[in-house]
Amino acid sequence: AQSVSQHNHHVILSEAASLELGCNYSYGGTVNLFWYVQYPGQHLQLLLKYFSGDPLVKGIKGFEAEFIKSKFSFNLRKPSVQWSDTAEYFCAVNARAAGNKLTFGGGTRVLVKP
Amino acid sequence: DTAVSQTPKYLVTQMGNDKSIKCEQNLGHDTMYWYKQDSKKFLKIMFSYNNKELIINETVPNRFSPKSPDKAHLNLHINSLELGDSAVYFCASSQASEVTGELFFGEGSRLTVL
Repeated sequence: AQSVSQHNHHVILSEAASLELGCNYSYGGTVNLFWYVQYPGQHLQLLLKYFSGDPLVKGIKGFEAEFIKSKFSFNLRKPSVQWSDTAEYFCAVNARAAGNKLTFGGGTRVLVKP
Repeated sequence: DTAVSQTPKYLVTQMGNDKSIKCEQNLGHDTMYWYKQDSKKFLKIMFSYNNKELIINETVPNRFSPKSPDKAHLNLHINSLELGDSAVYFCASSQASEVTGELFFGEGSRLTVL
């Protein structure tokens, strides 16, 4: 069963638009949460991560994500996107209930039109 | 000065052949991984090594055999290639385990089995 869900497979928007990518997971208990990004032709790199504390996490390049425990969600946001944000975005969850292995969502391809 | 490097980047081969993908990291990390990304973009862990010892071995056919000659290298050998092995294979490394650590990925090796 799919344990990390990213609802949007493709998102197309214009520069300066706001972006929100959904991520839901199905594990209970303690979780560590990550968003990775893969720019065209490049390797995956970490955008941000949440382990504990403030559920609103700020990452690189103006991205932030909010952990809502009651909704099992960790949505990624950026208030104003740029053309250079065109990439594939992956949510990932490490849960003790899943044997402490990093489980990735299926990715969301974001295209920002100039 | 690439942190995690994989070779080859592209590999096209016939069914039944044996092939290897090499991975090297120069970050001094203790843990290395192999992930498989299928046609639907899902990233699934295959193997994890910590200091040359196998830590994670997911349900992977025994045609796949990882080899870690030292903690900076984790190679993947695949015997008797099948059509379903076509995918992008990502190598990654981390200082700590996946629970707390950030993964650093290679650029991927796209394997096409004809």
